[in-house]
Amino acid sequence: EPEVTQTPSHQVTQMGQEVILRCVPISNHLYFYWYRQILGQKVEFLVSFYNNEISEKSEIFDDQFSVERPDGSNFTLKIRSTKLEDSAMYFCASRAGEQFFGPGTRLTVL
Amino acid sequence: LAKTTQPISMDSYEGQEVNITCSHNNIATNDYITWYQQFPSQGPRFIIQGYKTKVTNEVASLFIPADRKSSTLSLPRVSLSDTAVYYCLLLYNFNKFYFGSGTKLNVKP
Repeated sequence: EPEVTQTPSHQVTQMGQEVILRCVPISNHLYFYWYRQILGQKVEFLVSFYNNEISEKSEIFDDQFSVERPDGSNFTLKIRSTKLEDSAMYFCASRAGEQFFGPGTRLTVL
Repeated sequence: LAKTTQPISMDSYEGQEVNITCSHNNIATNDYITWYQQFPSQGPRFIIQGYKTKVTNEVASLFIPADRKSSTLSLPRVSLSDTAVYYCLLLYNFNKFYFGSGTKLNVKP
């Protein structure tokens, strides 16, 4: 069964550093998403991406965040200058019909 | 954006049918109702989706009344492995998905 993959599974970084979280969506999917989940809290929508541009973004997705599809397979989330409160699980998802989520990247900002 | 309200938690026993109701009083005409399941430290997993009346698949049923202001996820004969958090979502334009707080289902032996 095809699946969404994410790397790394765990990323530790220092406050103020840039991080790039990587995702490989399912190959025939056209819609891509990033979510985050702070420990013990609900899943929060960050951004959706279609046809090489952002479709929707939440208020969380400020100028510190950016997304890119650098080639035909990868979908990345960049956080330019990480803050302590960016520590969370970050999930990538893709869909043709229903959404499929990846296993997540746990980001820890020290 | 329409919000969803679910019970925070529910307990059940193995073999029972579980019904989890979600309220969405301000659902928009174009919104679809979707349910996801999430285990600890894993990404959410799609369960079922519907617009109105009843939808059934191999794992669950979804009941939506005519006014669409609520929906009920029905899990037949739950097992211990169904212990998870269940989220009700309204699909806004299919490009913006808002998760509610979810219902933590605890299935006991």
